[in-house]
Amino acid sequence: GAGVSQSPRYKVAKRGQDVALRCDPISGHVSLFWYQQALGQGPEFLTYFQNEAQLDKSGLPSDRFFAERPEGSVSTLKIQRTQQEDSAVYLCASSFHRLAGVQETQYFGPGTRLLVL
Amino acid sequence: GESVGLHLPTLSVQEGDNSIINCAYSNSASDYFIWYKQESGKGPQFIIDIRSNMDKRQGQRVTVLLNKTVKHLSLQIAATQPGDSAVYFCAENKGGGFKTIFGAGTRLFVKA
Repeated sequence: GAGVSQSPRYKVAKRGQDVALRCDPISGHVSLFWYQQALGQGPEFLTYFQNEAQLDKSGLPSDRFFAERPEGSVSTLKIQRTQQEDSAVYLCASSFHRLAGVQETQYFGPGTRLLVL
Repeated sequence: GESVGLHLPTLSVQEGDNSIINCAYSNSASDYFIWYKQESGKGPQFIIDIRSNMDKRQGQRVTVLLNKTVKHLSLQIAATQPGDSAVYFCAENKGGGFKTIFGAGTRLFVKA
């Protein structure tokens, strides 16, 4: 089946503009993760959903960042009043399930490259 | 993981040689470790994982070694091919928690 897809692949925003980034996880995957990857660095955790429930949002850098997954499938990461430091690749990953104490392979999408001017 | 900005550690190997990529992890409580490969313009791709109750795990052409005493992880790639050229990240996870912590990455160049 299809892998994780993200849209748009590239987004250029003017400073102060709001943006919305979409993630379509692998069908049937319960867990969904968002990461931020700055140039030349490893991905950094932003937030985690199990179905529609956002169980951890401790990685969101400020209250300008908001994520949702209202029906437990597609997720949107919204950034309000974008700043230049928000420029990065935003990666989405999904996994089949998340049982307590059990790690499962995360499958990553290609990312959305955001450039804030 | 620590940031190395734009200057990723780089490993250059000849095609057909074996590659060894090293990683120092940060949390002694981490009990699950993963290696990812990331090609330009793509998301990280799972390569191999290992749990803390193991010292070594082998896959197809890849081997991961874990030394918990010194908090060190390595990825060995046998008979390296041009298609192996990418950035490789180690990642750690603690107790089935939600957060996976990625290292800074190593760029592997394979010379034909």
